[in-house]
Amino acid sequence: EVQLLESGGGLVQPGGSLRLSCAASGLFFHNYAMTWVRQAPGKGLEWVSGISGSGGWTDYADSVKGRFTISRDNSKNTLYLQMNSLRAEDTALYYCAKDVARDWLNAFDIWGQGTMVTVSS
Amino acid sequence: DIVMTQTPLSSPVTLGQPASISCVSSQSLLHSDGSTYLSWLHQRPGQPPRLLIYKISNRFSGVPDRFSGSGAGTDFTLKISRVEAEDVGVYYCMQATQSPYTFGQGTKLEIK
Repeated sequence: EVQLLESGGGLVQPGGSLRLSCAASGLFFHNYAMTWVRQAPGKGLEWVSGISGSGGWTDYADSVKGRFTISRDNSKNTLYLQMNSLRAEDTALYYCAKDVARDWLNAFDIWGQGTMVTVSS
Repeated sequence: DIVMTQTPLSSPVTLGQPASISCVSSQSLLHSDGSTYLSWLHQRPGQPPRLLIYKISNRFSGVPDRFSGSGAGTDFTLKISRVEAEDVGVYYCMQATQSPYTFGQGTKLEIK
């Protein structure tokens, strides 16, 4: 069974940093693109960032470009999201999700339970 | 950015009756590779989203056949042939044809 387990969320002050992790199991991790999607409390889904199976391609939403960095360690089956210069509007539940494809984003077929990030002073 | 507009935003449905959700994109979702990367997801309260349909009409593994997707270009539809109690929640369409990848606002399905 494919499982994704996010960690690293928490309360951080505006301007602070956090690194989210997503540990994957039950799949050939390097064969799939991965993505981060967030959901602010009571709101809809917002795509944040994506990365190809090899890590050679990455992409970001304009709202996080220059502040967030996506990466992956295929030897550890783990996806990361380094979040810097955090703002109140980054407060959300952050999901990692697996894509059905390897080289780009197509459809997100497996989702983790999410990790909550709260940016507040 | 491609804007995804869903209607209705709320849909009260009687158990056993059909339901339909529309999703209209602000640009064609036909990719240069010939595929259309339009998917549908379902999110129950307190749960992560789960994939129902990908590339317009392909049901994901384990999804009941009462769910079907159709459409082309900019107009897409999710249909539930007979609503069951477990179908409550919010349904989202999503496009992955062009970055940034965008979701519809969500349609809340509830039982009358």
